[in-house]
Amino acid sequence: QSVLTQPPSVSGAPGQRVTISCTGSSSNIGAGYGVHWYQQLPGTAPKLLIYGNSNRPSGVPDRFSGSKSGTSASLAISGLQAEDEADYYCQSYDSSLIASVFGTGTKVTVL
Amino acid sequence: QVQLVESGGGVVQPGRSLRLSCTASGFSISPYALHWVRQAPGKGLEWVAIISYDGSQKYYADSVKGRFTISRDNSQNTLNLQMNSLRAEDTAVYHCVRERRVVAGDAFDIWGQGTMVTVSS
Repeated sequence: QSVLTQPPSVSGAPGQRVTISCTGSSSNIGAGYGVHWYQQLPGTAPKLLIYGNSNRPSGVPDRFSGSKSGTSASLAISGLQAEDEADYYCQSYDSSLIASVFGTGTKVTVL
Repeated sequence: QVQLVESGGGVVQPGRSLRLSCTASGFSISPYALHWVRQAPGKGLEWVAIISYDGSQKYYADSVKGRFTISRDNSQNTLNLQMNSLRAEDTAVYHCVRERRVVAGDAFDIWGQGTMVTVSS
């Protein structure tokens, strides 16, 4: 059972901006632990997309951005492209569980 | 090329055991904590276990505690997962993952492609 909640799906037309929320609690995101985001293209392993709430690894387009506030975090994709169709997961650490935790996952569809 | 390659998956009956391995190439695993993360068919990601860089600390998800054991051999650049008393709900792709210390936490920066474990009679 995931302790980080994401919307099951979001969609947008090419060029539009979409956002994905990740809601946690005082034992994970709200405790100050960083939030990281992963992109999973169909049939492939997840790939690190955003680390430390808002930082992009080398090679990740600046269309992807992350933010965090309180017990929640968000991933924004601007200038949506067909290649962005994938599942997206947030991840953090939970001090009550003494475990890394993932979000429930969000499927992004480009209309 | 920095990569992680898992092996050892397959079909196993409930209650039996299986041992997964993960071999790193292109880097030494010695400085890094390593994890196993699994994904059941059509489902989301589930963290399974972590082992510290030197093997001295290990933590498990409640769903596998007491049944799974994570270990590593830094001299062989390998990570292992011994899975005992397997259940149908353990059916998943198991990924070996490298943890990297980053600003505001530890992120999973390198993922293996995964090995499929199917628990079925």
